Amino acid sequence: NAGVTQTPKFRVLKTGQSMTLLCAQDMNHEYMYWYRQDPGMGLRLIHYSVGEGTTAKGEVPDGYNVSRLKKQNFLLGLESAAPSQTSVYFCASSYEGRAYGYTFGSGTRLTVV
Amino acid sequence: AQSVTQLDSHVSVSEGTPVLLRCNYSSSYSPSLFWYVQHPNKGLQLLLKYTSAATLVKGINGFEAEFKKSETSFHLTKPSAHMSDAAEYFCVVTLAYGGATNKLIFGTGTLLAVQP
Repeated sequence: NAGVTQTPKFRVLKTGQSMTLLCAQDMNHEYMYWYRQDPGMGLRLIHYSVGEGTTAKGEVPDGYNVSRLKKQNFLLGLESAAPSQTSVYFCASSYEGRAYGYTFGSGTRLTVV
Repeated sequence: AQSVTQLDSHVSVSEGTPVLLRCNYSSSYSPSLFWYVQHPNKGLQLLLKYTSAATLVKGINGFEAEFKKSETSFHLTKPSAHMSDAAEYFCVVTLAYGGATNKLIFGTGTLLAVQP
């Protein structure tokens, strides 16, 4: 039982390049989330999904897009990377409608130069 | 609206002494509260959670936290620090009953250093 798996773990992009971060969970969770973590700011919600085929904006959605074509996968896309998007990205999932805790992936460290 | 404030960005203790990490929250509705720990270059691990049951919550690795509604606090404690406790700790709030907008609100983190 892998829980939440994020790929890749590390990536360096040049300004203007695009990339997709993949999050996969095997717990049959309905809710999935993408957060970014920056020093001194905790984790901030980028986008989230409450089920297959749904997405919604979080606190800091600009410059990112997401898709949830399959229940187990939640993709985060950067169409034109900027240095301000240098961060550590975490995916999380949770059971539908319950605040019983969330399972986090191990993170993707992205550097945009 | 919900928010969470971690009162100390850095805490340093000696090994074997008590740990206190402070967290205050604001919530219009019944909150659920969590503490997560993040070791260097690792993901987040759930330490403990309060979901409107017992106000004193025991978690993993000897940590516990007490929900005090009158003080809107959820401080994390441990009687005796170990070197392995050195990490960053996040206090998190969300609504207790979930729903479509059930999201985690993170504090800015407290970095715990443990001196030998």
